[in-house]
Amino acid sequence: TQLLEQSPQFLSIQEGENLTVYCNSSSVFSSLQWYRQEPGEGPVLLVTVVTGGEVKKLKRLTFQFGDARKDSSLHITAAQPGDTGLYLCAGADTNAGKSTFGDGTTLTVKP
Amino acid sequence: NAGVTQTPKFQVLKTGQSMTLQCAQDMNHEYMSWYRQDPGMGLRLIHYSVGAGITDQGEVPNGYNVSRSTTEDFPLRLLSAAPSQTSVYFCASSRVSGANVLTFGAGSRLTVL
Repeated sequence: TQLLEQSPQFLSIQEGENLTVYCNSSSVFSSLQWYRQEPGEGPVLLVTVVTGGEVKKLKRLTFQFGDARKDSSLHITAAQPGDTGLYLCAGADTNAGKSTFGDGTTLTVKP
Repeated sequence: NAGVTQTPKFQVLKTGQSMTLQCAQDMNHEYMSWYRQDPGMGLRLIHYSVGAGITDQGEVPNGYNVSRSTTEDFPLRLLSAAPSQTSVYFCASSRVSGANVLTFGAGSRLTVL
């Protein structure tokens, strides 16, 4: 069974601060996704990373895929209250059509 | 576009009762899957399907059945509900090609008393 460890589990910061969320595994994944989930809704895709060492930017969010395709990080610059939510990483087994999720990071950004 | 539609959104059952959670997608996605989400435990895969007529077990399949008679529909059946099945259930779909990017439904909150 492929496992993904996400850290930290909870993060509470002030508006304007920077933060990094980590997603680590002992397994290699075909690709890795980051999702964001708000209360009462399903997760929504933020980004997909496929190539080892890949870096993608989405406004104030920077995503990095490890060189060995076993780990990833999400960095948020100058966090805003609208960034509050549950962030989930997921490793994909593309051939099998299934994904393994980390336990998530609950982010709270206080005004 | 409707995307992935789940019904019902809320359900309360008594122990031992059976029920079916419905999931339908209109994106012609080949892959469909069911996850359950419990506090502090992320999303755990229950069952998944790579196409009509093909299903397989995920990480936590016990107590659940699925079938995939059409590309669009992937119902999840609870045969004899137990309090341990109290959870939020999410259905998701994705394409065969690409990186298995999942489109999720809005979820079904199930309480078993």
